[in-house]
Amino acid sequence: AQSVSQHNHHVILSEAASLELGCNYSYGGTVNLFWYVQYPGQHLQLLLKYFSGDPLVKGIKGFEAEFIKSKFSFNLRKPSVQWSDTAEYFCAVSGNTGKLIFGQGTTLQVKP
Amino acid sequence: GAGVSQTPSNKVTEKGKYVELRCDPISGHTALYWYRQSLGQGPEFLIYFQGTGAADDSGLPNDRFFAVRPEGSVSTLKIQRTERGDSAVYLCASSPQVNTEAFFGQGTRLTVV
Repeated sequence: AQSVSQHNHHVILSEAASLELGCNYSYGGTVNLFWYVQYPGQHLQLLLKYFSGDPLVKGIKGFEAEFIKSKFSFNLRKPSVQWSDTAEYFCAVSGNTGKLIFGQGTTLQVKP
Repeated sequence: GAGVSQTPSNKVTEKGKYVELRCDPISGHTALYWYRQSLGQGPEFLIYFQGTGAADDSGLPNDRFFAVRPEGSVSTLKIQRTERGDSAVYLCASSPQVNTEAFFGQGTRLTVV
């Protein structure tokens, strides 16, 4: 079955701390991988995506993610978080139809 | 506006009633997706359109749910005989073509009382 698992449901960090959010997927065939972010009161926005090529992907606002095919993982990282990074983060996978399978999300709270 | 627009933003309805949720995609986007997000969960796929046709409706939970996109632009998600379990945020997304970045609307929060 196709699924996405996010290991951390709720993460609390202080400003300037480093962030890593885990994401593992189960999907047959070629995959495209995404991280979406939802800031309080706003719609889902794309942080970064992997379709092919360099497995280390850089996105907006200093975020990056690494696709490790052998581990079926696509973890999100940021070296130094800011209070404005407080949001909910969703990992997602799609195949060739663009239909997204989402993880259940990780709520990140950054303390100033 | 330039983004995906969903109306209404909030809808409260009584159990058993019929509701329609509307999605205006970004102009020119051929692919349109509907998702449902329950509290504390990630969005779950319902249906997607390529142009006017429903290319994949495997996520619709039962036959009370139906969606149309008659002219290949605006889409309407229709729910008959609503149940309390249908309460959720219904999200619409569009993309220039299938398998490219999807842009999401703000969603419609449906509450069935």
